Amino acid sequence: AQSVAQPEDQVNVAEGNPLTVKCTYSVSGNPYLFWYVQYPNRGLQFLLKYITGDNLVKGSYGFEAEFNKSQTSFHLKKPSALVSDSALYFCAVRRGRNYGQNFVFGPGTRLSVLP
Amino acid sequence: DAMVIQNPRYQVTQFGKPVTLSCSQTLNHNVMYWYQQKSSQAPKLLFHYYDKDFNNEADTPDNFQSRRPNTSFCFLDIRSPGLGDAAMYLCATRPPSTDTQYFGPGTRLTVL
Repeated sequence: AQSVAQPEDQVNVAEGNPLTVKCTYSVSGNPYLFWYVQYPNRGLQFLLKYITGDNLVKGSYGFEAEFNKSQTSFHLKKPSALVSDSALYFCAVRRGRNYGQNFVFGPGTRLSVLP
Repeated sequence: DAMVIQNPRYQVTQFGKPVTLSCSQTLNHNVMYWYQQKSSQAPKLLFHYYDKDFNNEADTPDNFQSRRPNTSFCFLDIRSPGLGDAAMYLCATRPPSTDTQYFGPGTRLTVL
């Protein structure tokens, strides 16, 4: 069964510093990986996804993620954090290779960017 | 311009009193999802529609029902809400042949 782990409940980083939010996955077959962000009292917003191709995926708001097959990881990164990046971040994996397959979300990591 | 709209944003109901949450979309996407999200937890899929085809998750309680009268609208009915059903309920849509889901702002349900 597909699963996603986000080992950190909370990540704190100073504004202007690089940030990393970690995600590891377990899938059978090729992974289809996603990052979503959730601001307080809002729905989830799509940031980026990895389906195939380059291991470094660029997404919205200056975020990028690095797919590492040997470490089964898909860490979210940003070179310079903003206070407005403070939110809840979810990593997700699609259950299968077809678009009809649904997501399994990780437990979420709360990012706090301190001014 | 709102694309996935959920009404109301906040809903208060009493223990055991039926409640309906609504979701509408202007995207004309054929797939619609309902998720339950408890405080600071991952969203949990309750069910989804592919066009009119209804797909229930195996562990979704019978207390939760859904209706999709047309492409634009989808409803979540909770027949007898319990205290444990207090949560944020998220609606999402997805067009065919893509993975990206588009989420509404959610309805926060309080059960008294």
